[in-house]
Amino acid sequence: EAQVTQNPRYLITVTGKKLTVTCSQNMNHEYMSWYRQDPGLGLRQIYYSMNVEVTDKGDVPEGYKVSRKEKRNFPLILESPSPNQTSLYFCATSPSGSRGYTFGSGTRLTVV
Amino acid sequence: DAKTTQPPSMDCAEGRAANLPCNHSTISGNEYVYWYRQIHSQGPQYIIHGLKNNETNEMASLIITEDRKSSTLILPHATLRDTAVYYCIVRFFNTNAGKSTFGDGTTLTVKP
Repeated sequence: EAQVTQNPRYLITVTGKKLTVTCSQNMNHEYMSWYRQDPGLGLRQIYYSMNVEVTDKGDVPEGYKVSRKEKRNFPLILESPSPNQTSLYFCATSPSGSRGYTFGSGTRLTVV
Repeated sequence: DAKTTQPPSMDCAEGRAANLPCNHSTISGNEYVYWYRQIHSQGPQYIIHGLKNNETNEMASLIITEDRKSSTLILPHATLRDTAVYYCIVRFFNTNAGKSTFGDGTTLTVKP
């Protein structure tokens, strides 16, 4: 079954403790992207990748890192999380620039 | 990226057609129009996309004006399960196709 898998689904952590949210896809898609969603602010793109070893900043990249060492995985790294990174995070993948994104189920992160 | 403008909310009677407008007056010739919807806090779901011709699939129809500055998503027979936030976005299909900016969307409420 074609899917985008995010882990964990829920995470509560403390300020400053490094964490990684994983995203994996089994569709051989070239494009992968991370979004965060906050009440009243809609979906905002954090980082995106157009292929292995090709990543670029979205609209709100501060405080985040990503890597794309292999096609199927696109982890989101928070080196020193802060409470303002409390949010709902979505990973999305697309086979090309002319096809729609498939979104994961989301990761709800709380930083205290 | 071209920005999109959508009405914040709309109502529709169950069984009637829902027509959701979107303005994208600064769209370039290298950008597709995409529509997604999001139910509660689930991952957004791709609906349809188009370049300049009208498109139809099993979920909806997309009407793009000849000048490409606006579009309308049509749900032909809305059901209660179509209640969701609908996002219209524009996205490059060649260079920089990874960048996707979502706006605030339209909250569609389908009423019995």
